[in-house]
Amino acid sequence: ELKVEQNPLFLSMQEGKNYTIYCNYSTTSDRLYWYRQDPGKSLESLFVLLSNGAVKQEGRLMASLDTKARLSTLHITAAVHDLSATYFCAVATYNNNDMRFGAGTRLTVKP
Amino acid sequence: ETGVTQTPRHLVMGMTNKKSLKCEQHLGHNAMYWYKQSAKKPLELMFVYNFKEQTENNSVPSRFSPECPNSSHLFLHLHTLQPEDSALYLCASSEVAGNTDTQYFGPGTRLTVL
Repeated sequence: ELKVEQNPLFLSMQEGKNYTIYCNYSTTSDRLYWYRQDPGKSLESLFVLLSNGAVKQEGRLMASLDTKARLSTLHITAAVHDLSATYFCAVATYNNNDMRFGAGTRLTVKP
Repeated sequence: ETGVTQTPRHLVMGMTNKKSLKCEQHLGHNAMYWYKQSAKKPLELMFVYNFKEQTENNSVPSRFSPECPNSSHLFLHLHTLQPEDSALYLCASSEVAGNTDTQYFGPGTRLTVL
């Protein structure tokens, strides 16, 4: 069974600091996604990672994928308050017929 | 309208009621999904439709009944729900067999079962 574990589940950061969110999954997967969810809002796609060693960056966020370790990371650089949200990783098999989400990491960035 | 829309945004129903949630995607995608987001559980995939054909049903109780009349519309029919079914129900769509199959989510329907 495909399982996805994220940690930490809660993260409180000071502005300007760096931190990493980890996403482990249990079985071989075709693709890994990172989403952001603001309170009361829907999920917004951030990154999709398709191959071992893939790295994508957008602003202060950078995602990477190690398929051998079954691990993805979301690195936050010099956090700002606007990054406060819940971040989810999700792992899918071919055609997304089995899509599993992690529990989410609730990030709070404090001034 | 753009993206993925859902109606209603909020719904309160009794356990004996019958209601339907509606989802419409304006992205030209060929797959649609229903998810349940509860306060204390990870996002759960409920149903998958690829090219209007249902391809996944993750042991969802029969009191939830999906319908996909065409590739742009998806419904979730609800009847005799339980209070534990109260949750945010999210619809998503994607282009299957595209480069990324990224799913685009609607705003959700906040359901409360009394």
